[in-house]
Amino acid sequence: EIVLTQSPATLSLSPGERATLSCRASQSVRTYLAWYQQKPGQAPRLLIYDASNRATGIPARFSGSGSGTDFTLTISSLEPEDFAVYYCQQRSNWPLTFGPGTKVDIK
Amino acid sequence: EVQLVESGGGLVQPGGSLRLSCAASGFTFSSYWMHWVRQAPGKGLVWVSRINSDGSTTNYADSVKGRFTISRDNAKNTLYLQMNSLRAEDTAVYYCARDIIADYWGQGTLVTVSS
Repeated sequence: EIVLTQSPATLSLSPGERATLSCRASQSVRTYLAWYQQKPGQAPRLLIYDASNRATGIPARFSGSGSGTDFTLTISSLEPEDFAVYYCQQRSNWPLTFGPGTKVDIK
Repeated sequence: EVQLVESGGGLVQPGGSLRLSCAASGFTFSSYWMHWVRQAPGKGLVWVSRINSDGSTTNYADSVKGRFTISRDNAKNTLYLQMNSLRAEDTAVYYCARDIIADYWGQGTLVTVSS
């Protein structure tokens, strides 16, 4: 099973600041890496798929990069609605796995 | 508009059974892989099972293999998860999700396994 590690566990930032979230895989997932946003009481929302492709309706301030084992989600300028938990997820191998999440909270 | 609506959750005793449903609308259901993902209270996301578009291929997490069965009825645009021999650790919100990239998710249905 591919293990995904996310860092940091919590990121405390102010609106308007840049957020950089990291996801590392225990073995190569090529570019089969996605990022999801989840707010309390809501279902996850797909942000980025295949490492760098924005999902439908996702604002341009969200971007993804990386390949192999190291990936980054960048939020260029945090909006109030961006404070949430972010999960990375790989679909390279079954079982599909998620990282433990990074919580982005308001400083 | 793509919609996924789960139902069938509830309180069940350990060892019991439950069948979850996910009603799909707004897209050609028979063309897409579908998934079940769960989230225990206060915890992260865990993939449970997936099924291909015609139902001929299924995969399960080791934790549910032999106890859960995923299926679909493309004529009814509905995905199912039959859960047998339920354990306390199966307590979670269960989400259905569409496509190999899980681009749309339902709102989830809560399953509580407790005596």
